[in-house]
Amino acid sequence: KNEVEQSPQNLTAQEGEFITINCSYSVGISALHWLQQHPGGGIVSLFMLSSGKKKHGRLIATINIQEKHSSLHITASHPRDSAVYICAVSPPPYNTDKLIFGTGTRLQVFP
Amino acid sequence: GAGVSQSPSNKVTEKGKDVELRCDPISGHTALYWYRQRLGQGLEFLIYFQGNSAPDKSGLPSDRFSAERTGESVSTLTIQRTQQEDSAVYLCASSLINPTGGSGYTFGSGTRLTVV
Repeated sequence: KNEVEQSPQNLTAQEGEFITINCSYSVGISALHWLQQHPGGGIVSLFMLSSGKKKHGRLIATINIQEKHSSLHITASHPRDSAVYICAVSPPPYNTDKLIFGTGTRLQVFP
Repeated sequence: GAGVSQSPSNKVTEKGKDVELRCDPISGHTALYWYRQRLGQGLEFLIYFQGNSAPDKSGLPSDRFSAERTGESVSTLTIQRTQQEDSAVYLCASSLINPTGGSGYTFGSGTRLTVV
């Protein structure tokens, strides 16, 4: 079993829909990251969070440490949001930021 | 620099040859990481540098793989006697490390290695 599980693996949506991607992990962590990978491979860090909720534009990330679960929400989705979204966690030892990655969620947003 | 820079962006090599991949981290980022992404698969950790020491090299898949870092600057990942299974995108990332965890995690655009 992977230490970081994401769901769904694939997601299609119509422009404007509200999107949720889920991430569950089985190890202790110091932080959880949400990353975006566009076709061509470039990876952008969207959020790093260790508690609560963060918001940036139309993106919202939440984490529940007790339940070892995080969600990434996209409001008013747009075709340019089409990408692979990757959840990654920083496991012990906590003085590094080495990441363990989920397998990603491929999102396609159609106009 | 403004971002993490990797070179070359693409490399095609013959099986059995050695290759060197280079990463220039963001200036001031003390931590540097190498990851690998094989086609259709997730990212795998290879090695972590804090300054020029490598406290965690647990992800290096074999002794054909090695890496070094000069100070808190450039790192090179060397693969000796390349095999076809080494074909992947090799990604470098850098971050600041503080006592409560890292911040400013930034990825380079990767080196796509193809072993023929």
